[in-house]
Amino acid sequence: GAGVSQSPSNKVTEKGKDVELRCDPISGHTALYWYRQSLGQGLEFLIYFQGNSAPDKSGLPSDRFSAERTGGSVSTLTIQRTQQEDSAVYLCASSLTYNQPQHFGDGTRLSIL
Amino acid sequence: QKEVEQNSGPLSVPEGAIASLNCTYSDRGSQSFFWYRQYSGKSPELIMFIYSNGDKEDGRFTAQLNKASQYVSLLIRDSQPSDSATYLCAVQRNSGAGSYQLTFGKGTKLSVIP
Repeated sequence: GAGVSQSPSNKVTEKGKDVELRCDPISGHTALYWYRQSLGQGLEFLIYFQGNSAPDKSGLPSDRFSAERTGGSVSTLTIQRTQQEDSAVYLCASSLTYNQPQHFGDGTRLSIL
Repeated sequence: QKEVEQNSGPLSVPEGAIASLNCTYSDRGSQSFFWYRQYSGKSPELIMFIYSNGDKEDGRFTAQLNKASQYVSLLIRDSQPSDSATYLCAVQRNSGAGSYQLTFGKGTKLSVIP
């Protein structure tokens, strides 16, 4: 497809488990961003990639969160030892380059039981 | 602390009227400004962006920027029921610490009454 693709669309897991969320950006977009949106809260920045490098990881809430990007394309956000407060919609966005408008995927709704 | 403030609403307007959505921001280093529309249960959809002071028009939408007042607005002309959604204001620095990430307001919920 032409847009940002995220998988899975929904993920339910038990507290303490690890989860991996995937993002496939728009073809040719060099910049990729992860955000999360909790119920009733605004969108919160997590991490930014330019190519395969992450010059800004300032939004990652704890060391349980990590992300990587390979081939300048697909990115994976990993949450280890999930906690209930990790429940949120995780959104990925991409842009042609760092100062261009960002386009969002449909998100992954993560629920921690 | 970078902040983006929006009135949470709901803002109710009759069909065919002009809806005016406002946003203020605290970071004077902000250089790019965006409006996203978010339907309930869906992801944000980019509808407008503006980089320079003044007005920018695209169809029924007009974005207005006043950097001196740190104020951005979105006007929706001839509002339709399909415009009913939450509108998110976002700002971006393009240099220095925290560059490139979008800082979002919490959104204004717009309801267009038929």
